[in-house]
Amino acid sequence: DVKVTQSSRYLVKRTGEKVFLECVQDMDHENMFWYRQDPGLGLRLIYFSYDVKMKEKGDIPEGYSVSREKKERFSLILESASTNQTSMYLCASTPSRHNEQFFGPGTRLTVL
Amino acid sequence: AQSVAQPEDQVNVAEGNPLTVKCTYSVSGNPYLFWYVQYPNRGLQFLLKYITGDNLVKGSYGFEAEFNKSQTSFHLKKPSALVSDSALYFCAVRVADAGNMLTFGGGTRLMVKP
Repeated sequence: DVKVTQSSRYLVKRTGEKVFLECVQDMDHENMFWYRQDPGLGLRLIYFSYDVKMKEKGDIPEGYSVSREKKERFSLILESASTNQTSMYLCASTPSRHNEQFFGPGTRLTVL
Repeated sequence: AQSVAQPEDQVNVAEGNPLTVKCTYSVSGNPYLFWYVQYPNRGLQFLLKYITGDNLVKGSYGFEAEFNKSQTSFHLKKPSALVSDSALYFCAVRVADAGNMLTFGGGTRLMVKP
């Protein structure tokens, strides 16, 4: 089975802190994604990557950056956390665009 | 631009009755369509997808969905609901041969009562 893991299930940070969210997949997938999930808004794509060191902006990249130094790992970085970044963050991976995406369990981030 | 609409925030159904969760989409081109389910405090789990071929797609846990091109819909259905089907359901769309970006609907909460 495909496994996508995220470094934390729950995280509490203070405004202005730098936050790292880590995602690791074990199936050698080319493509990885970061979404945030908010009630009534569904999932919105922040960034995605289709190869090592490659990244593309999604629908809401402002306030975020990403890093993909190794194929299995995709990191989401909040350079200076703000309260409006309080959300559930979901990581996903897929081998190709014809396939479904496999999701991690999510990280619920609270910024105080 | 592509978009997905799930017109119902919540669907209530009695156990044993059929259920339908609605999804309509808007894309320029041929769509790839997906349904995912999310149980409390969990990530999303894949249920089924339409890529091409038969308009009726069967998926996990007895769910199925019908692709209707003329109505631009992809409604999720199950003949007999279980209490354990209670969860949050998301429809998603991607344009064929146009990259990897999925667009998700806002989600529909399904409540199945005993």
